[in-house]
Amino acid sequence: HVQLMESGGGLVKPGGSLRLSCAASGFTFGDYYMNWIRQAPGKGLEWVSFITATGPTTYYTDSVKGRFTMSRDNAQNSLYLQMNSLTAEDTAVYYCARGNYCDSRGYLCAFDVWGEGTMVTVSS
Amino acid sequence: DIQMTQSPSSLSAAVGDRVTITCRASQTISKWLAWYQQRPGKAPKVLIYEASKLVSGVPSRFSGSGSGTEFTLTISSLQPDDFGTYYCQQYISRLYHFGQGTTVDIK
Repeated sequence: HVQLMESGGGLVKPGGSLRLSCAASGFTFGDYYMNWIRQAPGKGLEWVSFITATGPTTYYTDSVKGRFTMSRDNAQNSLYLQMNSLTAEDTAVYYCARGNYCDSRGYLCAFDVWGEGTMVTVSS
Repeated sequence: DIQMTQSPSSLSAAVGDRVTITCRASQTISKWLAWYQQRPGKAPKVLIYEASKLVSGVPSRFSGSGSGTEFTLTISSLQPDDFGTYYCQQYISRLYHFGQGTTVDIK
């Protein structure tokens, strides 16, 4: 059964740090690009970051550049998001999602498998 | 960045109605558009990729069309299970922006 499961969310003070994890199972994790997407309470979906299958290349939305770092460990079937200098605007449910239904080069992919999400609350 | 704009932001329709949601891109994205359904408290689910290709297992009452900058998601006969929020998403650039969402509720 193909599955993603996030963990590591919680309550953190402004300026603090948190590391999210995403455990993959049921598929060959190292074959897929991966993403983090977040959703603030009552708001829409916001794509956060992307990492290639082997991990050297990452992209970030402007609001998290320089503060968030995405990484992966294919041997452990795990994805990570290190979040530093957190602000109230980072409060959201964070989802990891797999890239699939890609173009012939494997670069342009929709997101076909999502985790259930982990809640991050930034508040004093 | 490529911005995505959906309309309407919400709609209410009866079971059996035909429902259409529009998504416009700020620049051409060819066919690189996906549609997702999100029910309250749940993760999104992909319905359509490459603008018009139906994901396996998704009911055939869902269809997508369009290319370039204008796209539509159509539900041919709305069912009670179709409530939720629908999002379009471009994936031609590595900044995978979503539309703001269209909330569908059943009259």
